[in-house]
Amino acid sequence: RKEVEQDPGPFNVPEGATVAFNCTYSNSASQSFFWYRQDCRKEPKLLMSVYSSGNEDGRFTAQLNRASQYISLLIRDSKLSDSATYLCVVIVSGGSYIPTFGRGTSLIVHP
Amino acid sequence: EADIYQTPRYLVIGTGKKITLECSQTMGHDKMYWYQQDPGMELHLIHYSYGVNSTEKGDLSSESTVSRIRTEHFPLTLESARPSHTSQYLCASSDSPTTNEKLFFGSGTQLSVL
Repeated sequence: RKEVEQDPGPFNVPEGATVAFNCTYSNSASQSFFWYRQDCRKEPKLLMSVYSSGNEDGRFTAQLNRASQYISLLIRDSKLSDSATYLCVVIVSGGSYIPTFGRGTSLIVHP
Repeated sequence: EADIYQTPRYLVIGTGKKITLECSQTMGHDKMYWYQQDPGMELHLIHYSYGVNSTEKGDLSSESTVSRIRTEHFPLTLESARPSHTSQYLCASSDSPTTNEKLFFGSGTQLSVL
């Protein structure tokens, strides 16, 4: 089983839609969680960290469920510019603190 | 924008050649990483460094080597390139020693070995 798993999609949604992605992780010692965005043929860039109590940044909301070992990303009022791949990143405590990436979920927002 | 640079951006090379992919950052970050990514696939960690004179192998078996003689510089070398090395190579750095890692990525090197 992979350490970090994501549904690769693609999720194909119209502008204005609300879309949610999940990411599951296998190591219960995972301590830090992030969502990165990667545009086609570009490098990943940090979208947001994920805090235990959940957090929001504009149209984006991140949630963490430690009991079920998953994190989620909700995008409201999707824009064409949101089209990208969204990468889930997990860091395990007590080790080398190396970020582990999921495969990413592809989002396509169409007019 | 992050101050981390990779060169070359694209490289097409024949089998058996020795190549070095350059990565430099001007942020004074101690931790640096090399990831390999194939199209539509996840990033795989191949090497990382905690600081000068520190290098570690990542999860993905790789025939490449790295060095960290200076904080700002983390080159990756392939002694003998093969077609199986064709991939995108991404360099990253971070300034946090623990779990609150924000990674800054370079633009990547797209390597094609013929």
